[in-house]
Amino acid sequence: DSGVTQTPKHLITATGQRVTLRCSPRSGDLSVYWYQQSLDQGLQFLIQYYNGEERAKGNILERFSAQQFPDLHSELNLSSLELGDSALYFCASSAVARYRGGNTIYFGEGSWLTVV
Amino acid sequence: SQQGEEDPQALSIQEGENATMNCSYKTSINNLQWYRQNSGRGLVHLILIRSNEREKHSGRLRVTLDTSKKSSSLLITASRAADTASYFCATAAFSGAGSYQLTFGKGTKLSVIP
Repeated sequence: DSGVTQTPKHLITATGQRVTLRCSPRSGDLSVYWYQQSLDQGLQFLIQYYNGEERAKGNILERFSAQQFPDLHSELNLSSLELGDSALYFCASSAVARYRGGNTIYFGEGSWLTVV
Repeated sequence: SQQGEEDPQALSIQEGENATMNCSYKTSINNLQWYRQNSGRGLVHLILIRSNEREKHSGRLRVTLDTSKKSSSLLITASRAADTASYFCATAAFSGAGSYQLTFGKGTKLSVIP
């Protein structure tokens, strides 16, 4: 158990709909990351938050948005869903890096999204 | 976009044999992390090696890093059927404004035959 909790584990929704994925990071971790894993694109970085502020953006579509709340949990909102958005969405977290070597990034079990 | 490239893409070995997976990357890194993923499941962190380290061990795992060649290898000794999974290398780098992120390769699918 990595300590990163994601809900829901599975969801099925129709094209055009909107869903929200939720993530609770490991206790004390200030950084939260979202990744998408699909068969054709592999593991793609979407976005990083640090203590409530956006720190980096990757291949995140404009239809997708995220936020990190004061209690450090994060949500990824996916709207106007398309069939191609079907994927495994991961949340991850890490502690503040105390030196330039960086820290381990721990992943949750993921949320399986199927768009039909 | 993928930074790391694992080699081979698939590997099939007998239980008890050693498995070696390689990873190459393109840009400067702060560390490199290896993960395991059982089919359709979460990413389990295996080991982190920092850019100033050359080798690390954890149980049956041995990881090497050659920053001059921009490559890393993961060796699993005395493999078990339970090691069957996909293995990913991911490079981590700090960039401006405090961002720190992993960039993944496509993974090596390891099958250990009992």
